[in-house]
Amino acid sequence: GAGVSQSPSNKVTEKGKDVELRCDPISGHTALYWYRQRLGQGLEFLIYFQGNSAPDKSGLPSDRFSAERTGESVSTLTIQRTQQEDSAVYLCASSLEEGYGYTFGSGTRLTVV
Amino acid sequence: GNSVTQMEGPVTLSEEAFLTINCTYTATGYPSLFWYVQYPGEGLQLLLKATKADDKGSNKGFEATYRKETTSFHLEKGSVQVSDSAVYFCALSDGNAGNMLTFGGGTRLMVKP
Repeated sequence: GAGVSQSPSNKVTEKGKDVELRCDPISGHTALYWYRQRLGQGLEFLIYFQGNSAPDKSGLPSDRFSAERTGESVSTLTIQRTQQEDSAVYLCASSLEEGYGYTFGSGTRLTVV
Repeated sequence: GNSVTQMEGPVTLSEEAFLTINCTYTATGYPSLFWYVQYPGEGLQLLLKATKADDKGSNKGFEATYRKETTSFHLEKGSVQVSDSAVYFCALSDGNAGNMLTFGGGTRLMVKP
């Protein structure tokens, strides 16, 4: 597509429930990144996918967080047993293999109540 | 580890005023430096970048110079417009994790007519 698409744009969930966030990268972009932006704070790196290589999960805050990507297509970020501190905007970005010039999606705003 | 510090906002200016948003960084080696902008309701967009010391990135009237001696990358614009109202993020990449970005906390700019 023309840009990076994320869904849903907003998600309200009860504490303890699992949520799944989706990212559709730009066609042909081999690199895909997930970031988290808590209210009033900068972006925190979560995970990075490059083609079919093993993902870099060094930014995932706990084992409740996981992400998958099949090839160079859609990625899903799953948060299990959500906690209130998981409330944030989750941003996805994709780029060509060189890495510079990310294109970000508009994000999913997650609110855990 | 890497870190980026930028001035807290909001920054409120009148149209045609001069803008400076300070950004300093801590990193090993020689990172690349970026400014991203997030307009209301939109995703993050790359505004400008510089990949080595003394480089000046520029776009849409904005510019920033990579100052290795002061580890800074301050964003400037000579005459702001109402349409420049947005949140501005300073970021760096040291080439690790597929050029993963480390972001500052963001600075909200509000330009009044």
